[in-house]
Amino acid sequence: KQEVTQIPAALSVPEGENLVLNCSFTDSAIYNLQWFRQDPGKGLTSLLLIQSSQREQTSGRLNASLDKSSGRSTLYIAASQPGDSATYLCAVRKMGSNYQLIWGAGTKLIIKP
Amino acid sequence: ETGVTQSPTHLIKTRGQQVTLRCSSQSGHNTVSWYQQALGQGPQFIFQYYREEENGRGNFPPRFSGLQFPNYSSELNVNALELDDSALYLCASSLDPTEAFFGQGTRLTVV
Repeated sequence: KQEVTQIPAALSVPEGENLVLNCSFTDSAIYNLQWFRQDPGKGLTSLLLIQSSQREQTSGRLNASLDKSSGRSTLYIAASQPGDSATYLCAVRKMGSNYQLIWGAGTKLIIKP
Repeated sequence: ETGVTQSPTHLIKTRGQQVTLRCSSQSGHNTVSWYQQALGQGPQFIFQYYREEENGRGNFPPRFSGLQFPNYSSELNVNALELDDSALYLCASSLDPTEAFFGQGTRLTVV
């Protein structure tokens, strides 16, 4: 059974710092992995999608890596800003008949001005 | 703006009532999935529809049911509402098993 874990559960850093959010999964048979951002009480915004054959993806100040063999992904945020404050969730799409997304519980990030 | 819209955005229902939530998927997407997200937790998979057929279901009782229409929009129906059904309900659309795009969610409160 696929399980997804995100560490830490919460993180508070000063503005301007570079930071890394971690996501681990137990079954390497994934189709892709997706990082999302969620603002309080809101829906999910897709940040980055990494296919199982890829090692990393970049979008602006965000870089996500994937190591399938070790069951790990990291989201790197460069030069953090107060507007980056949100909960960040990772989800893996499992291989199989319905390719459903399996989710971590998220990392709540607070960037202090 | 993802092109996925959900309605209503908020609603309050009484225990035992029935509710229907709606989702309009992004143009060209043939797959819709529904998730329940309790406060402070990650989303939980309810079910998924691919080209109008249910092709996957999570650990939710039969009183959670759904439909996907020929235009690929979708409904989530919940009968006999319980207090624990209070949550944010999220709809995602995708083209086959590719990048999922989510709507803004429906906040359901059961009192």
